[in-house]
Amino acid sequence: AQTVTQSQPEMSVQEAETVTLSCTYDTSESDYYLFWYKQPPSRQMILVIRQEAYKQQNATENRFSVNFQKAAKSFSLKISDSQLGDAAMYFCAYRSPRGSGDKLTFGTGTRLAVRP
Amino acid sequence: EPEVTQTPSHQVTQMGQEVILRCVPISNHLYFYWYRQILGQKVEFLVSFYNNEISEKSEIFDDQFSVERPDGSNFTLKIRSTKLEDSAMYFCASRGESPGDTQYFGPGTRLTVL
Repeated sequence: AQTVTQSQPEMSVQEAETVTLSCTYDTSESDYYLFWYKQPPSRQMILVIRQEAYKQQNATENRFSVNFQKAAKSFSLKISDSQLGDAAMYFCAYRSPRGSGDKLTFGTGTRLAVRP
Repeated sequence: EPEVTQTPSHQVTQMGQEVILRCVPISNHLYFYWYRQILGQKVEFLVSFYNNEISEKSEIFDDQFSVERPDGSNFTLKIRSTKLEDSAMYFCASRGESPGDTQYFGPGTRLTVL
């Protein structure tokens, strides 16, 4: 079974600075999808960014980018120019593309605080 | 922009009562999911649903749970006899037809079992 590990329960960053959240995963599959979801205090799950394993190029969405290291099974999220609104819980998630019963497997999350 | 909606936002019930949580997935999506998140813990998969049948379910999804798509728009999760440990945030999600499509989450229903 796939597992996702987020080793940083909490992180803190100064506003306008850059922060990197770590995620590692374990899988025997060669093709899969990886995601970062943001969960603000409202507890809604908001997609931040996604990466297809077959793509070598790291995904980027505005201030958010990933460092995807397939051989190392690492998928870190970099937030540049951090804003107060970035303060939230961030979950890394894995999904297999197999069949129709695909599910997201989540890590335990990293709580990000942004200092003004 | 299309979004997944869920009702109610908060449900309070007595232990042993039945609850039905409702979701309206994005209209052209074909794959539907329920996840739950106990307070302070990670999000856990409950069940996936496609073509009017369960595709996969987790160990959590025991006989007390059931899902249904009663019409063309709603997707429901029923808990027959709630337990204290069912208190959690329940998220519905849906995705499109392509295997690479992203799962989009609803805002969640907070279930409190007293």
